[in-house]
Amino acid sequence: GNSVTQMEGPVTLSEEAFLTINCTYTATGYPSLFWYVQYPGEGLQLLLKATKADDKGSNKGFEATYRKETTSFHLEKGSVQVSDSAVYFCALANSGGGADGLTFGKGTHLIIQP
Amino acid sequence: EPEVTQTPSHQVTQMGQEVILRCVPISNHLYFYWYRQILGQKVEFLVSFYNNEISEKSEIFDDQFSVERPDGSNFTLKIRSTKLEDSAMYFCASGGVHEQYFGPGTRLTVT
Repeated sequence: GNSVTQMEGPVTLSEEAFLTINCTYTATGYPSLFWYVQYPGEGLQLLLKATKADDKGSNKGFEATYRKETTSFHLEKGSVQVSDSAVYFCALANSGGGADGLTFGKGTHLIIQP
Repeated sequence: EPEVTQTPSHQVTQMGQEVILRCVPISNHLYFYWYRQILGQKVEFLVSFYNNEISEKSEIFDDQFSVERPDGSNFTLKIRSTKLEDSAMYFCASGGVHEQYFGPGTRLTVT
């Protein structure tokens, strides 16, 4: 079955530091890959996505590249801000269509200190 | 910007009682989903719904769960006889083929 593995948190960084949150996956076929962010007390927000190999998703300074050869989708940001503090979830969906449920990783709690 | 809404934000119920969690998906979306997140654990898929019927469901979605789209706007999750282990945050989502947009969640507490 499908699975997503992401680095355990919490990850604590200083403002303006470089961020990497690792994500690897196991899936059949060619899944679509996603990063969601959950701010305190809020629901999940779609941060970025990639639907095929070598695609790069980007949004709000974050980016992730779909690497089929390493089955990875690592999230990066060049300079983090305090407002980026949140829980980040890597997820995948089978490519079979819109009805597929997402498979999530456990989430990585990111803490940015001023 | 359109968004998915859920009511109530917090529901407290006694074990064995029925609960209905409500969601209003984004109006032009065709796919609807329910997920749950037990405190401290990962978000888990429950069920997807398309064209007025269940498309896919997980092992968690057993006979005590049901979903309905009673009118053109609402999408509900019913738990017939709640158990303590049903305590969780329940998220509704709607979307298309490559995107799912989540609501803020309903926190269900079963006592």
